[in-house]
Amino acid sequence: GAGVSQSPSNKVTEKGKDVELRCDPISGHTALYWYRQSLGQGLEFLIYFQGNSAPDKSGLPSDRFSAERTGGSVSTLTIQRTQQEDSAVYLCASSDPGLYYGYTFGSGTRLTVV
Amino acid sequence: DQQVKQNSPSLSVQEGRISILNCDYTNSMFDYFLWYKKYPAEGPTFLISISSIKDKNEDGRFTVFLNKSAKHLSLHIVPSQPGDSAVYFCAASLIQGAQKLVFGQGTRLTINP
Repeated sequence: GAGVSQSPSNKVTEKGKDVELRCDPISGHTALYWYRQSLGQGLEFLIYFQGNSAPDKSGLPSDRFSAERTGGSVSTLTIQRTQQEDSAVYLCASSDPGLYYGYTFGSGTRLTVV
Repeated sequence: DQQVKQNSPSLSVQEGRISILNCDYTNSMFDYFLWYKKYPAEGPTFLISISSIKDKNEDGRFTVFLNKSAKHLSLHIVPSQPGDSAVYFCAASLIQGAQKLVFGQGTRLTINP
């Protein structure tokens, strides 16, 4: 597609439930990133995929968070046993390595844990 | 450890005047800097960037200045327009391209008519 697509756009879940967030990057972009923005905070790096290399998971806040990228395209971010502090906007971005203008972001998934 | 800092959470400017958004960083290895603009319910969009080999980059009404010795960059918008009202994020990278970006906390700019 023309842009980075994320689904769902909004998700309300009960504390303790698992959630899956989906990101469909721009076709041909080999790099994919997940960030989150908590209320009043900046963009916090979570995980980075580049081609077939092992992902950089250094930003994942706990082992309840995991992500995968299938076929070098679509990515799913999974949060297990959600907690209220997981409430945030989760943003996905993709980029074409070597281009100077950084990432293209999706519109995000607003996750609310009640 | 906040490597990229935007110390002003908000800024209000009159339409037609200059808006100046500031950003400081601590990692001297950063060599590429970007500004993103974010409207509510949308993802951030790339605005302008600068390489560490330059001290200024201009694109229409937007100019980014880089002071490496002070580890400081700023975004100037002139003249400011109501459509510029948004949250602006400063970001830094160790190299150009796909390496992960480190973002500041953002500054909410409001342009008053």
